[in-house]
Amino acid sequence: ILNVEQSPQSLHVQEGDSTNFTCSFPSSNFYALHWYRWETAKSPEALFVMTLNGDEKKKGRISATLNTKEGYSYLYIKGSQPEDSATYLCAFRNNNDMRFGAGTRLTVKP
Amino acid sequence: NAGVTQTPKFQVLKTGQSMTLQCAQDMNHEYMSWYRQDPGMGLRLIHYSVGAGITDQGEVPNGYNVSRSTTEDFPLRLLSAAPSQTSVYFCASGALSGANVLTFGAGSRLTVL
Repeated sequence: ILNVEQSPQSLHVQEGDSTNFTCSFPSSNFYALHWYRWETAKSPEALFVMTLNGDEKKKGRISATLNTKEGYSYLYIKGSQPEDSATYLCAFRNNNDMRFGAGTRLTVKP
Repeated sequence: NAGVTQTPKFQVLKTGQSMTLQCAQDMNHEYMSWYRQDPGMGLRLIHYSVGAGITDQGEVPNGYNVSRSTTEDFPLRLLSAAPSQTSVYFCASGALSGANVLTFGAGSRLTVL
């Protein structure tokens, strides 16, 4: 069973706040960890793919880290903006199967 | 470049009816998959395929059939629709080698009465 857990389930922050959320996944048979951004009424879009323990990725104000030995990844958003409001999904890939967490729904208030 | 195309976007069925959700991609991706999205549950994998002629079950395969006769197409069949299959369905594809970043279709909203 591939359990991918994300926390918190939802998050409300003020514009300008920095925030982070967690994805935990099985530490065995690891192949890759993906982060996707999912805006309402749209399809998920890829943010990051990480494959190596210790990987850190950054895109603008958003960054992510990976710990495959303990089975977790953090997503950080620095200086949140209202346009960052979305659901952030992580997905664990072990060979060919890819399983998603339930997501963290972020709302950034102006 | 159309990416991943899903049809129909909306469908209403009666319990017991059958239907097929179509998914086509033009990126020559080996990997294709179907997910369903339900409130509070994220995306759950129904079936996936790593190439023409090869399919496998995901987390929630019961009540669904798939086939992969070509690289481009991966239809999802509901054999006898049930109200529990009311959901939004997403098809996604990706290259098997490398990162396998998924490209998603726009989604199909299915209601079973």
